[in-house]
Amino acid sequence: SQQGEEDPQALSIQEGENATMNCSYKTSINNLQWYRQNSGRGLVHLILIRSNEREKHSGRLRVTLDTSKKSSSLLITASRAADTASYFCATVPSGAGSYQLTFGKGTKLSVIP
Amino acid sequence: GAGVSQSPRYKVAKRGQDVALRCDPISGHVSLFWYQQALGQGPEFLTYFQNEAQLDKSGLPSDRFFAERPEGSVSTLKIQRTQQEDSAVYLCASSFDRVTEAFFGQGTRLTVV
Repeated sequence: SQQGEEDPQALSIQEGENATMNCSYKTSINNLQWYRQNSGRGLVHLILIRSNEREKHSGRLRVTLDTSKKSSSLLITASRAADTASYFCATVPSGAGSYQLTFGKGTKLSVIP
Repeated sequence: GAGVSQSPRYKVAKRGQDVALRCDPISGHVSLFWYQQALGQGPEFLTYFQNEAQLDKSGLPSDRFFAERPEGSVSTLKIQRTQQEDSAVYLCASSFDRVTEAFFGQGTRLTVV
């Protein structure tokens, strides 16, 4: 079963614009991770945010986490055509089973040059 | 090696045939995961190894699926008597420990005809 739900399912923007994707989850977490998947390829880890963190930055990426609302957002600033991919959030639960990454269905981002 | 390596990249199997999918994790990574990804969906957890011990196989769809990691390094996912519903991309991932970022291979795309 998939815990995370990304929103929107698909997003199309112009190059240079910002892209925001949201993720909601159901259970208590140890951490939440965002991954990117280009068509026909494996997943690439982007950023990990722990349950006691609220915001994290990495280059053009900004992730926020609100554990009270069980939600996270990924912001990609100044998007590029190369950012076109599917983006998945994945959660690692707290407590027992604290290893299993549970993925959402993903947001398909298209950046138009 | 530099990353997680999976072979073969593509496999076409006739229904009823047995298949074996191989995963070479990053050297020194204790944790190894197998995921199944259907078209347009996020990856679904199959099984988890910590070194050679298979600690969780709750995601394996049926007893036709079997995974091993006998020496705590290379892992093999075996599917017996393949069915059409087994068609998917099978992803292997490894991580240094159970809650840090996971590094994914390119996956094996299995098509059962």
